[in-house]
Amino acid sequence: QGHLVESGGGVVQPGRSLRLSCAASGFTFSTYGIHWVRQAPGKGLEWVAVISYDGYNKYYADSVKGRFTISRDSSKNTLFLQMNSLRAEDTAVYYCATHLNDAPFEIWGQGTMVTVSS
Amino acid sequence: QAGLTQPPSVSKGLRQTATLTCTGNSNILGNQGVVWLQQHQGHPPKFLSNRNNNRPSGISERFSASRSGNTASLTITGLQPEDEADYYCSGWDNSLSAWVFGGGTRLTVL
Repeated sequence: QGHLVESGGGVVQPGRSLRLSCAASGFTFSTYGIHWVRQAPGKGLEWVAVISYDGYNKYYADSVKGRFTISRDSSKNTLFLQMNSLRAEDTAVYYCATHLNDAPFEIWGQGTMVTVSS
Repeated sequence: QAGLTQPPSVSKGLRQTATLTCTGNSNILGNQGVVWLQQHQGHPPKFLSNRNNNRPSGISERFSASRSGNTASLTITGLQPEDEADYYCSGWDNSLSAWVFGGGTRLTVL
């Protein structure tokens, strides 16, 4: 069974940057697309971005487009989310989750908390 | 109609049946279905059914997903206390080129 572990969260001031990582194990990382999904405190799930298995296709939610960049290093079984120009409304738990065509969001990590505050 | 719409809350009694709905426009539900996720407080979501309404191994037969037109449904039979959780549907919006989550339904088992 696959396993995902997010890291890199923390407290950051508005306007600053943060880079999240998602380490994968237990499955063939290079054959899976991967999503970032976030959840603000007390709120529902919000999709953030997805990257295809080969890294060529990337899609973003309008709320993060132009500020966040998703990338992957399949040689290290790791996914990244570069977050720039952070805002208070980006405060959330950030999860990574696997993507297959029929089974998006099948495997989830435990999440990493990002707090944007002055 | 934008996105996916779920009722905010549903309450049912122990051992009863709950049907949770997820209504979307044809951009989302027109060709491919939605997935269903369960989330207990303080935990990451758990995958319940894929876009073909199939359960992964390890998910109880009490959970079944279906779709009719632009409404997807998750039916949970023989409700148990551990079924009390938030349930989300999610699908791909062709017009937005983005994944969309419903707002979630909080299921309370009385």
